[in-house]
Amino acid sequence: EVQLVETGGGLIQPGGSLRLSCAASGFTVSSNYMSWVRQAPGKGLEWVSVIYSGGSTYYADSVKGRFTISRDNSKNTLYLQMNSLRAEDTAVYYCARVGAVAGTGFDYWGQGTLVTVSS
Amino acid sequence: SYELTQPPSVSVSPGQTASITCSGDKLGDKYACWYQQKPGQSPVLVIYQDSKRPSGIPERFSGSNSGNTATLTISGTQAMDEADYYCQAWDSSADNYVFGTGTKVTVL
Repeated sequence: EVQLVETGGGLIQPGGSLRLSCAASGFTVSSNYMSWVRQAPGKGLEWVSVIYSGGSTYYADSVKGRFTISRDNSKNTLYLQMNSLRAEDTAVYYCARVGAVAGTGFDYWGQGTLVTVSS
Repeated sequence: SYELTQPPSVSVSPGQTASITCSGDKLGDKYACWYQQKPGQSPVLVIYQDSKRPSGIPERFSGSNSGNTATLTISGTQAMDEADYYCQAWDSSADNYVFGTGTKVTVL
């Protein structure tokens, strides 16, 4: 059974850093495309970042230069390092597996972890 | 940057058909996916590659995509279908994934 479990969220002051983790089971993270998607309170879904199986990474303009996506193959875990956090980064952060075949979408999602940026 | 626009809300009577549109420049040249999100839950993929249903998704969910508009249709809508729905596409020019603005479906 495929499962994604995010951890690492919490309350952080503006300008601070936080690292989110997403532990996967039932499939191999390094063989798949993996992504982070966030949802601010009461708002819609916003794509944040993706890491392809080959290692290429891409980011939304809103987080480029501040966030870094990575993975640990030995732990089968995806990460999101978030630096220089702003109030507008407050959101539930979901990790999701992305289908490698074009148009197959985000087929598995974690339960999400809440990040609150506030002083 | 690429944008996908959806109507904020759609209302439908039980047993009737709900149609949710998603508009974007030349969206028909891309693949569209659709997600259902109920309050307090993670999104669930209900349509991929414009019109295909993942395993376990009821047949009453269908999709189409042409021109500048993708459409999610829920036939014989049930109370359990009340949720927020998001379309999504991939912007190849920027290697970015894009979500629509979201539509709240209310079953009256």
